[in-house]
Amino acid sequence: EVQLVESGGGLVKPGGSLRLSCAASGFTFSSYSMNWVRQAPGKGLEWVSSISSSSSYIYYADSVKGRFTISRDNAKNSLYLQMNSLRAEDTAVYYCARDDDYGGNSPPPFDYWGQGTLVTVSS
Amino acid sequence: QSVLTQPPSVSGAPGQRVTISCTGSSSNIGAGYDVHWYQQLPGTAPKLLIYGNSNRPSGVPDRFSGSKSGTSASLAITGLQAEDEADYYCQSYDSSLSGPWVFGGGTKLTVL
Repeated sequence: EVQLVESGGGLVKPGGSLRLSCAASGFTFSSYSMNWVRQAPGKGLEWVSSISSSSSYIYYADSVKGRFTISRDNAKNSLYLQMNSLRAEDTAVYYCARDDDYGGNSPPPFDYWGQGTLVTVSS
Repeated sequence: QSVLTQPPSVSGAPGQRVTISCTGSSSNIGAGYDVHWYQQLPGTAPKLLIYGNSNRPSGVPDRFSGSKSGTSASLAITGLQAEDEADYYCQSYDSSLSGPWVFGGGTKLTVL
């Protein structure tokens, strides 16, 4: 059974840092691109960052570029998001999600999601 | 403001059919990129509902269907059930953005 379990969320002051982790199990982690998606309280989904299976390709949303860093450790089946210079508008539930190898000619959907971890940026 | 526009809310009575639209532009849906749909039940993580415009993952009832035409896509739900009450999001790729993935703003489905 595919499982994605996020951790590392919490309360942090503006300008502070936080590192999120996502532990993967039930599939060959090193074969899949992975993503972070966030959802501010009462708001919609916002894609944050993506990393390819071998870390060769990395993408960021403009809203986090230069402040967030995505990484992965395939030996530990883990995905990370280092968040620096946090702002109030970064307050959200952060989900990790797996790319689906659906064979289409477009970027794939996200077929498995974790339960999310809440990040609150407030003084 | 998302580059993919969805109605904020739709509603229908049990047993009825509802549709949710996702309107894009020539840099995303109109460029031929696939549209995917997610269902988010209250207090839970999103779940993939439709992928590649019209395909259902294993386990998704055939009451849910997707289509795409021009710069828009639609999600149709027939035989509405109370458990369908949720938020629905479309997703696609936009070539004008630095990051490839974009979600619609979401649509709240209320079953009356």
